Amino acid sequence: LAKTTQPISMDSYEGQEVNITCSHNNIATNDYITWYQQFPSQGPRFIIQGYKTKVTNEVASLFIPADRKSSTLSLPRVSLSDTAVYYCLVLLEAGNTGKLIFGQGTTLQVKP
Amino acid sequence: NAGVMQNPRHLVRRRGQEARLRCSPMKGHSHVYWYRQLPEEGLKFMVYLQKENIIDESGMPKERFSAEFPKEGPSILRIQQVVRGDSAAYFCASSPLAVGGWNTEAFFGQGTRLTVV
Repeated sequence: LAKTTQPISMDSYEGQEVNITCSHNNIATNDYITWYQQFPSQGPRFIIQGYKTKVTNEVASLFIPADRKSSTLSLPRVSLSDTAVYYCLVLLEAGNTGKLIFGQGTTLQVKP
Repeated sequence: NAGVMQNPRHLVRRRGQEARLRCSPMKGHSHVYWYRQLPEEGLKFMVYLQKENIIDESGMPKERFSAEFPKEGPSILRIQQVVRGDSAAYFCASSPLAVGGWNTEAFFGQGTRLTVV
């Protein structure tokens, strides 16, 4: 069972870089690491996924060390609109029927 | 391609009534997932359906809740004899393939906010 652990909350200021780290010690060989973002009163939205090393898109970067037991979501120069809950997910391999299981997530509060 | 459409956006029901929540997946998506989110809590998986089949209902309460995804039309989450504790946001997601492995992107709707009075 690849359970994830991430901080419950984080505060930041506009213009800063924010790094949210997630631990997934029991990640399976074929598992990808995925991050979702949820704004208040909206459904979650896929941000980024990766398997190893570094992945970057227009929204964020994802850093994954060689042992893959953790990952770090990096948001460059956050703005007030980045205030949201960020979920780290690692899909179960054997026995999973194919569904996303969300933990508590990290509530990011960006202040002016 | 329109996104996942859920309706109604807001639903108010009296205790004991039935609530029907509808979800139209994105075009070409045959996999549908329902989640419930209580105030100030995370998303809880309820049920996973593929056209005309329930794949995984391990998160569904044993009584009063049912879901379907017919060959034609939207997926329906039905709650019978609603109680105050059913008040929550219900989100639907869809994907063209079952999530897993390299495929971890599902598309979520805006949700239906159910209030039981």
